[in-house]
Formats: sequence, C-alpha cells, structure tokens
Amino acid sequence: EIVMTQSPATLSVSPGERATLSCRASQSVGSNLAWHQQKPGQAPRLLIYGASTRATGIPARFTGSGSGTQFSLTISSLQPEDFAVYFCQQYIDWPRTFGQGTKVEIK
Amino acid sequence: EVQLVESGGGLVQPGGSLRLSCSASGFTFNIYTMYWVRQAPGKGLEFVSGINNKGDSTEHADFVQGRFTISRDNSRNTLYLQMSSLRPEDTAVYFCVRENYYFANWGQGTLVTVSS
Repeated sequence: EIVMTQSPATLSVSPGERATLSCRASQSVGSNLAWHQQKPGQAPRLLIYGASTRATGIPARFTGSGSGTQFSLTISSLQPEDFAVYFCQQYIDWPRTFGQGTKVEIK
Repeated sequence: EVQLVESGGGLVQPGGSLRLSCSASGFTFNIYTMYWVRQAPGKGLEFVSGINNKGDSTEHADFVQGRFTISRDNSRNTLYLQMSSLRPEDTAVYFCVRENYYFANWGQGTLVTVSS
C-alpha cells in the first residue's frame, strides 16, 4: 500500500501567520491527493482535492500544491478557526491511505 | 445538502458483534462508492471497507481478516457494516464516507467501544 508521511507532527503558529504543512507519498500518486481538516470532536472535512483544488466553501487562504510524491498545504494567514489537525490522503490506489496528521496549534 | 448519519455504535464485549448503519440523503446514493473509515481515540484515520455503487465489489483493510462485511441497500439509501469477532483494538469512531474520486463527504461518526 502507499504510505503517506506528514511533517511536522505539530506546528505551533501565531494567529495571522503563515503555516506550511508537508505530505510525502511512498510512490507517485499523480495529483490524486486530498487534504482534510478535523477539529476536536468533529468529523473530518474535505479542504482540497486534486492536490490543489479547493472544495466548495473553503476560503482562499488555503492553498494546496505539489504532484507525484511531494505535496504541501499552505494556510496564508491563520484564523482562530484554522487550529485543527490536517490529514493528507491519496486516492489513486487501494487501499485509500492517510498521513498520520499534522496538528496546527496556537503558539 | 449531502447528509450522512451513522448509527448502531455502542459498547460490546470482545468477541461480540455489531451492525453499523449509515443513512444517506442529499445525493443520488446509487451512483457513488461508499466507505467506512475509523479513528481510534487520539489516533489518525484508517480505511476499513469500501463498496462500489452497485454493491457487487468490496474492499477491506487487511486487519478486517474476514470479520467485517460491508453492504448497501440502494433502495433505502443506506450503507452497512456488519462487524463480528470484535477486538479491543477495534474501539474507534466509525465514519461513513462518500467518495467522488476523493473522500468528498463525511458523516459525524458512531463510537464503537469493545471492552469487557
């Protein structure tokens, strides 16, 4: 199966600052990469698909980039509601696999 | 609006069985592949099982080992997960997910606790 590795595990950022999260795939997934956001006690929510396309209703401060095996999610100016855990997920192959998550916390 | 509502979770003893349900609305259920994904307390997301739109092709994670069966009733817009021989390590929130190539929509989840 394709192993997804995220870094860092935790990112401490001040509100208003930029955050960059990384995701690496053990083999090429093309652009078949999604990012999901999960807040405490809530279900995950789709943010980005196709590596760079924002899902419906997702603010423009969220930007996804990359292809092949290296991907990133950038949040340009962190808002209080953005502090959460972010998971990347590949959907090119079975089984669908996730990264272990990056927690974005308030510095 | 897409809605996925899971039910059926609860406390079960090791070796016991449970059937989860996911009621879908707001989209044409019978044209989408559906999944169960779980999350153990404090842990990440883990694929459990998937089923194609017709219900004639399924996929399970290795850890399922024949213990779980995914199915669907397109006439009722409902997804199921029949779980048996449950183990403490199956304790998790189980999410129902609609796939549109990517995991597009998630239910709120139902908690399964396996403990004596």
